[in-house]
Amino acid sequence: EAQVTQNPRYLITVTGKKLTVTCSQNMNHEYMSWYRQDPGLGLRQIYYSMNVEVTDKGDVPEGYKVSRKEKRNFPLILESPSPNQTSLYFCASSSQLVPGGRTDTQYFGPGTRLTVL
Amino acid sequence: AQSVTQLDSQVPVFEEAPVELRCNYSSSVSVYLFWYVQYPNQGLQLLLKYLSGSTLVKGINGFEAEFNKSQTSFHLRKPSVHISDTAEYFCAVIRGGGYQKVTFGIGTKLQVIP
Repeated sequence: EAQVTQNPRYLITVTGKKLTVTCSQNMNHEYMSWYRQDPGLGLRQIYYSMNVEVTDKGDVPEGYKVSRKEKRNFPLILESPSPNQTSLYFCASSSQLVPGGRTDTQYFGPGTRLTVL
Repeated sequence: AQSVTQLDSQVPVFEEAPVELRCNYSSSVSVYLFWYVQYPNQGLQLLLKYLSGSTLVKGINGFEAEFNKSQTSFHLRKPSVHISDTAEYFCAVIRGGGYQKVTFGIGTKLQVIP
């Protein structure tokens, strides 16, 4: 079954404690993205990746890092989490340059709810 | 830079009535436009997209949207809603050549009333 998986699904942590949210896709997609969703702000793109070792900033990259060492995985790293990073995080992958393009298949993960105390 | 404005944060509508969810964008170059739906406690699902060509695009679940370049709008419509359409709807834009860099609107919650 084609899918994007995220782990953990729920996480409560404390300020300053480094954490990683994993994202993995089984569709051999080249393109992957991370978003955060906050009430009243919609979804905002954090980082995206066009291929292995190719990543770029979205609209809200501050406080986050990503890596793309292999095609299937795109982890999101919070080196020193702060309460303003409390949010719902989504990972997505797509097969084409324009996500949702003519013949694209685009998938979103189930989300990771992060609380930073 | 690109931006998206969804003018209504919540839209209540009676079952079987028509609905229009409004979306306006700003971009100095050509754009690709999308509508996504998010059901409660789920991820996003692509409803429909405008890439080029016909300005009226049809998507899943009976939804359609019209790209209006002069008004910089991409409103989503459905002629008759069902209870199962209750969800949050997001408009999104990609600047031409911007590829994977996506900007979303803040979302519109559609509440279908029985």
